[in-house]
Amino acid sequence: DAGVIQSPRHEVTEMGQEVTLRCKPISGHDYLFWYRQTMMRGLELLIYFNNNVPIDDSGMPEDRFSAKMPNASFSTLKIQPSEPRDSAVYFCASSLAGADTQYFGPGTRLTVL
Amino acid sequence: GDSVTQMEGPVTLSEEAFLTINCTYTATGYPSLFWYVQYPGEGLQLLLKATKADDKGSNKGFEATYRKETTSFHLEKGSVQVSDSAVYFCALRGGGFKTIFGAGTRLFVKA
Repeated sequence: DAGVIQSPRHEVTEMGQEVTLRCKPISGHDYLFWYRQTMMRGLELLIYFNNNVPIDDSGMPEDRFSAKMPNASFSTLKIQPSEPRDSAVYFCASSLAGADTQYFGPGTRLTVL
Repeated sequence: GDSVTQMEGPVTLSEEAFLTINCTYTATGYPSLFWYVQYPGEGLQLLLKATKADDKGSNKGFEATYRKETTSFHLEKGSVQVSDSAVYFCALRGGGFKTIFGAGTRLFVKA
């Protein structure tokens, strides 16, 4: 079975550029989560969706961050404009309602120069 | 609000040593408790879980018991291997669908 798929795995960009991270959840899962991981702040929940609808975006750090889920099999996290402090590993995870376990993708390592 | 506190790392052990990583939680109601593991360069993956008081989760030689009286869920393994070197996250899920993760504990196992 395919797990959660994220692309790209690595992204290097310059400050001010737009960055788009992509996620394909496990088929049939109806919850999708975006996390950010840094050494300083650990693992932070940015936003999560249920049935493609954003439920809680209180963790999104600034208006520069936005996330969409146009259908059940695809989500994007966009940063515009990017800043060096956005450098982190971004994880997508999915789960099935009624189940406790989240399944994580391999992450996208973002470096903003 | 709900929270998870786990021991700071890194923890460095020799192969075949006994491992304990402490985890305590604060939550209303009866949360489910988890340990996730993150190997270098990978995402988190579920190691074990327990959904009610006195339940013991176990997997790959690791165990943790849901202790409601002490609000704890300590991770243990009797004999660690070099391949167990990773970051371990304690987590809880309460009434909603958000999972609250601890800060993570890095484990190094030396041969």
